[in-house]
Amino acid sequence: GNSVTQMEGPVTLSEEAFLTINCTYTATGYPSLFWYVQYPGEGLQLLLKATKADDKGSNKGFEATYRKETTSFHLEKGSVQVSDSAVYFCALSASGSARQLTFGSGTQLTVLP
Amino acid sequence: GAGVSQSPRYKVAKRGQDVALRCDPISGHVSLFWYQQALGQGPEFLTYFQNEAQLDKSGLPSDRFFAERPEGSVSTLKIQRTQQEDSAVYLCASSLAGTGPRGYTNEQFFGPGTRLTVL
Repeated sequence: GNSVTQMEGPVTLSEEAFLTINCTYTATGYPSLFWYVQYPGEGLQLLLKATKADDKGSNKGFEATYRKETTSFHLEKGSVQVSDSAVYFCALSASGSARQLTFGSGTQLTVLP
Repeated sequence: GAGVSQSPRYKVAKRGQDVALRCDPISGHVSLFWYQQALGQGPEFLTYFQNEAQLDKSGLPSDRFFAERPEGSVSTLKIQRTQQEDSAVYLCASSLAGTGPRGYTNEQFFGPGTRLTVL
């Protein structure tokens, strides 16, 4: 079956530090890959996505590249802000459909001023 | 409304009680999903509707869990004879796409969730 393995947290960084959160996946075919973010007290929000190999998703300074050869979709940001403090979830959905998402366990990020 | 709404936001139930959780998807969204999120974990799939048809219920943990979407819009997740292990946040998500060619987007929009605590 499909699965997502996500770097365990929590992660604590100083403002303006570089962020990497690792994500690898197991899936048949060509899944779509997502990063969702959950800010304190809020619902899950889509941060970025990539639907095919070598696609780069980007939003709000965050980037992730769909690497089929390493089955990875690592999240990066060059300079984090305090407002980036949240829980980040890597997820996939089966190719060619609008079916369910399979999530990783989440990574809590805290950015200190 | 502009987004997915869920009610109630918080529910406390005594063990053995039945509960009903409501989801109002984004207007016009064909697909609706329910997920269960245990504390400190990622959401786990429960069930999926395309319009009023329940196409996948493979994630429902037991026959005490039942979901419906009779008119293809609002959905209700019902849990009968609640147990302590049912305590979790229940998330609803909707999307535009149903099944179809790969060209369809499959972005899901999530509601704020209902936090269920079973005592």
